[in-house]
Amino acid sequence: DAKTTQPPSMDCAEGRAANLPCNHSTISGNEYVYWYRQIHSQGPQYIIHGLKNNETNEMASLIITEDRKSSTLILPHATLRDTAVYYCIASYYKLSFGAGTTVTVRA
Amino acid sequence: DAGVIQSPRHEVTEMGQEVTLRCKPISGHDYLFWYRQTMMRGLELLIYFNNNVPIDDSGMPEDRFSAKMPNASFSTLKIQPSEPRDSAVYFCASSLSSYNTGELFFGEGSRLTVL
Repeated sequence: DAKTTQPPSMDCAEGRAANLPCNHSTISGNEYVYWYRQIHSQGPQYIIHGLKNNETNEMASLIITEDRKSSTLILPHATLRDTAVYYCIASYYKLSFGAGTTVTVRA
Repeated sequence: DAGVIQSPRHEVTEMGQEVTLRCKPISGHDYLFWYRQTMMRGLELLIYFNNNVPIDDSGMPEDRFSAKMPNASFSTLKIQPSEPRDSAVYFCASSLSSYNTGELFFGEGSRLTVL
């Protein structure tokens, strides 16, 4: 897996968009970018993944830069239930979870 | 679908005892993974199976740990003998396809405390 760097924590306001950055400057051509989140004490939950193109699903959008060295996960309208640890993973083979970003959504 | 089912949800045991954790993957999924989560080391991949065959066990910490998948609907992770440093939450996950094209579905975890 390519090393990923995420800020340790961030706050966002309920109802606003939350933009979570991830740096993966050593990503190789066949490695995907995955995002998972873990709400306290629960198993990690898949959010979205992509290779080159931007992706959107019902949970979030994933923006990958053209050089693929960084990406941003966008939660369009954050709710209190989005408070969790968010993991960015760059991988082809194994999913290795780092420390992630602890996101706190405040009312 | 019921999702990935793990048992027991909580286990408290004494050092030296054998511990068996169980996992039922989502029906039809052909990949199964065992992860361990601790405060110090985060979420670590221990082993994964494809079509019931262990593919990569390089994350298994030592010989005290073993994992089996006798059929497509059941896997076990065994620790014998257990030690206090094995205390952690153990997650099982399953996937319909390989890593790079599919998503992992995690169970709720088994919290192990070794006294």
